[in-house]
This record gives sequence, C-alpha cells and structure tokens, in this order.
Amino acid sequence: EAGVTQFPSHSVIEKGQTVTLRCDPISGHDNLYWYRRVMGKEIKFLLHFVKESKQDESGMPNNRFLAERTGGTYSTLKVQPAELEDSGVYFCASSQRTSGTSSTDTQYFGPGTRLTVL
Amino acid sequence: GIQVEQSPPDLILQEGANSTLRCNFSDSVNNLQWFHQNPWGQLINLFYIPSGTKQNGRLSATTVATERYSLLYISSSQTTDSGVYFCAASLSGGYNKLIFGAGTRLAVHP
Repeated sequence: EAGVTQFPSHSVIEKGQTVTLRCDPISGHDNLYWYRRVMGKEIKFLLHFVKESKQDESGMPNNRFLAERTGGTYSTLKVQPAELEDSGVYFCASSQRTSGTSSTDTQYFGPGTRLTVL
Repeated sequence: GIQVEQSPPDLILQEGANSTLRCNFSDSVNNLQWFHQNPWGQLINLFYIPSGTKQNGRLSATTVATERYSLLYISSSQTTDSGVYFCAASLSGGYNKLIFGAGTRLAVHP
C-alpha cells in the first residue's frame, strides 16, 4: 500500500511568487491534514479536510494560504504571494476516519515539502 | 488549547543503552501518537496509543490517560535510533488535529 506522497520535495521561490504544494493521501483515507514546521518552531496544524469539505481550518495563518481538495482525493496548498516567514517544511497527513480512540484515527505523514522563500 | 510537553529535550546514549522519553499533556485526549523523525526529515509513525501499552520490537509505549502522560521506551538502542522523537495529541471532542510537542533529540553513539 502506497503511503502519503507529497510534491515537490523541495521548492525555492522568491518573495512575492506563488507556490502550490500537492498531497496525495493513502487510498481510502477520508481525512487529510496539512501541518507545517517553520524554522525553529514546533510542528503546527494548518487544516483538516473530511473528503472534500474543510472540517477545521483554524490553523491557517492568513488569507495568503488556500487549500483545496476537489473530489475528495488529492489536496493542494497554494501560497500566494509567498513571504519570507512562510519558509519551512509542509507536511501532509491522512487518516482513515475520526471515530475517537480507534486505530483508524492514526495519522500517517508524508515526507514533507521543504519550502524556501528568498 | 491542549499543551504537549516532552522531556528531556536532548538525550545522548551509548549504543546498547536503554532510555525513556516522556510526554505530558494538559487535557483529555482521544489520540496520542509517537513519531520518529529520521535524518531525512520524514515523520515515521511509531505508535497510536491514547491509552494502554503497546510494544513493537525494541520500542514500547505506555499512556496513562488519567494522569495525562505517555512514555516511550527504547531498549538496546542502536545508532539508527538517532533522530527526533515527537509526541502529538488531539483533544477529546475535537476534530482530531494533532498538537505536537517540541520533541526529544536523541543521539546514539557507537
């Protein structure tokens, strides 16, 4: 079974440019999450999709970030325009469902996309 | 919101030694996971353990939900165990977003 995949693995852009990150969850996983770790800080939650719907977007830092999950399969996270403080590693995770205290709630993480904004 | 604290922040071991990593959380949780971040930055899922005890080879974990802590045991450590270990928890009744601790950086020397 393929794990969570993310593309690209690295991205270097200049301030003011646009970048789109992609995440493909594990097949059959309804839940998809985005997290990020900026320099020296802890890994922070960004948002959570259940199928194609945004369940929780409380962690999105501002309106320069737009996440979509059309059709409930893969997801994209667009940063427009990128700022220096957006540099970091963006992780995607997926889980089968959220039932509470069930192993199907286990979140599996992708390898991350390292974003550098110059 | 929930707070997750890990200790120690750094740990240095000789190969073959045992270690215990601790994770304290401030509220009732419905999900608690331990991860190992390898040298390539990938987060490897070790345990899903909101309560009870699990073992996987040289690793085991115990969560005492009523006392709001979890322990990760590494026995007979190997150099490949080096990296950062993260604990992450989500709040009961919440949407299952994980709150991460700051991690424990482990270095195992031959």
